[in-house]
Amino acid sequence: ETGVTQTPRHLVMGMTNKKSLKCEQHLGHNAMYWYKQSAKKPLELMFVYNFKEQTENNSVPSRFSPECPNSSHLFLHLHTLQPEDSALYLCASSQSRQGGNSPLHFGNGTRLTVT
Amino acid sequence: AQSVAQPEDQVNVAEGNPLTVKCTYSVSGNPYLFWYVQYPNRGLQFLLKYITGDNLVKGSYGFEAEFNKSQTSFHLKKPSALVSDSALYFCAVRDLAGAGSYQLTFGKGTKLSVIP
Repeated sequence: ETGVTQTPRHLVMGMTNKKSLKCEQHLGHNAMYWYKQSAKKPLELMFVYNFKEQTENNSVPSRFSPECPNSSHLFLHLHTLQPEDSALYLCASSQSRQGGNSPLHFGNGTRLTVT
Repeated sequence: AQSVAQPEDQVNVAEGNPLTVKCTYSVSGNPYLFWYVQYPNRGLQFLLKYITGDNLVKGSYGFEAEFNKSQTSFHLKKPSALVSDSALYFCAVRDLAGAGSYQLTFGKGTKLSVIP
């Protein structure tokens, strides 16, 4: 048990579908993140939320829309995706405002396949 | 700008032998350095970190890493490899000179295979 739970574990969707990824953390952390992991590429940071406020958006296409209703929950809403968006999407959390030395705690990811 | 390099895509080592997974970094200020491990179909797990102080850092599962400022390296080591150590290992860096960003930069990962 990682303390960070992601659902669903696997998702197959067509390019015209709308779906959402969910992440919940039980660690009392204040910062939450979405990462994209593609084969043979470094992890790509997509979004950062700190105390529910979005602090970073790394030039992510608008077909990805994050939502953070509170410090424990994070969503990634998906619509009109492309096949190249197929990847493992990882959620992570950390304690913030500790000088940046707190490690990230990751969920097990959602394996997304866009057909 | 901060960056991290893992020069080996794959490392093979016999069970019981010492292992080293290499990492070098580039930052403008002082670095925070991290190692993570990823097992198949799982997320990344934190292994250890260097913040300040002793250059030799000990972490989970018998792993350790040595911070070398002159060589800008942070290699991961273990004295005796286990088959269960086979996984994907990621080095990550955060630049303390970064302007308020808590963004970690990850390497591409090194696949470690421990051969029985």
